[in-house]
Amino acid sequence: QKEVEQNSGPLSVPEGAIASLNCTYSDRVSQSFFWYRQYSGKSPELIMSIYSNGDKEDGRFTAQLNKASQYVSLLIRDSQPSDSATYLCAVTTGGGNKLTFGTGTQLKVEL
Amino acid sequence: NAGVTQTPKFQVLKTGQSMTLQCAQDMNHNSMYWYRQDPGMGLRLIYYSASEGTTDKGEVPNGYNVSRLNKREFSLRLESAAPSQTSVYFCASSESRTANYGYTFGSGTRLTVV
Repeated sequence: QKEVEQNSGPLSVPEGAIASLNCTYSDRVSQSFFWYRQYSGKSPELIMSIYSNGDKEDGRFTAQLNKASQYVSLLIRDSQPSDSATYLCAVTTGGGNKLTFGTGTQLKVEL
Repeated sequence: NAGVTQTPKFQVLKTGQSMTLQCAQDMNHNSMYWYRQDPGMGLRLIYYSASEGTTDKGEVPNGYNVSRLNKREFSLRLESAAPSQTSVYFCASSESRTANYGYTFGSGTRLTVV
């Protein structure tokens, strides 16, 4: 079992729709959770962090965390073509010393 | 404010050659990391340094060495490059000695070993 799992996609949504990206993790003691956005040929960019159960909203982005189910999600409201990218879920592991990344979900927002 | 700077951006090596990838951050961050990214494999940790003077192995350390030269700089060395080391290499840094605040990434080095 991979430590952090994501559906590779591609996930296609129409412009203006809600995109829902999901991630599960295996380390029950993980404390910090992140979503990174990576455009093709570019480096990952941190867009959301979440540390406690529940929802955290920042503009069009909402991160959701359920530690009991070991599940993290990212919702993107009013999706735009500029949101087309690969989204990486990352979780602290090794006692918090490092991040383990999922393989990413490719999102395509279609006009 | 440059953030995390990696050099070079592109490199082609012949099998058996050696090279050092350079990374420097100007954010006064404590911990630094080297990852490689391969299609379908995601980002995999090679080595990390939680603070100046310390280094630890990650998931895929074989064939690599690192040096935390000072608080700003963390280099990755390939002593004898192999085609399996063809990848995109990312350096990252974190404010704390842990990863609990997330990372800032450099722009990457695209390495091809022929």
